[in-house]
Amino acid sequence: QQQVKQSPQSLIVQKGGISIINCAYENTAFDYFPWYQQFPGKGPALLIAIRPDVSEKKEGRFTISFNKSAKQFSLHIMDSQPGDSATYFCAGYSWGAGSYQLTFGKGTKLSVIP
Amino acid sequence: DVKVTQSSRYLVKRTGEKVFLECVQDMDHENMFWYRQDPGLGLRLIYFSYDVKMKEKGDIPEGYSVSREKKERFSLILESASTNQTSMYLCASIDTSGGATDTQYFGPGTRLTVL
Repeated sequence: QQQVKQSPQSLIVQKGGISIINCAYENTAFDYFPWYQQFPGKGPALLIAIRPDVSEKKEGRFTISFNKSAKQFSLHIMDSQPGDSATYFCAGYSWGAGSYQLTFGKGTKLSVIP
Repeated sequence: DVKVTQSSRYLVKRTGEKVFLECVQDMDHENMFWYRQDPGLGLRLIYFSYDVKMKEKGDIPEGYSVSREKKERFSLILESASTNQTSMYLCASIDTSGGATDTQYFGPGTRLTVL
């Protein structure tokens, strides 16, 4: 299955700083790009998502930047807080007529230190 | 509030045992999924189901089977558990009602250890 490559594997950011996680995809059939946040002992939860006809989406401190021509997208966490410490997964997704593709990146473990 | 529940949070089984992992969603979603999550490998799709009694193989179906007899319940079966199936198993269901986001809701996970 075509990959979604996510980097970095781990990230340490000071409180108040900007956390940036990058993803690159290969499958041009993807039509939806979600980011999931996972705390230890919990299942992933949808954080924010974007469709490829939009270059940026912002929800509170979280922003997705999307570059369709480069097949890249990134998550920016502004004013990072210790409570943001979690593992983040990007994904590429398409769905239609019973045909389903959802490919996750391998995750980024974010630690926000006080 | 949407909810996906899994029958066990932690499970310890022996090699060769038949293992059942149960997942129930209360959102009337047609589509349900089983993933396993391993460090450094992310989430990998085992099977999914888009309707009752319908199933499709994911990326890593070998050694697993599934059952979907009712819309709300999707079971993952390890016919003969092996140590390499020690993992975190995550169930999910998805809302494909055509809204702005096709949100996939995950259960809390079952951490399975096969000895």
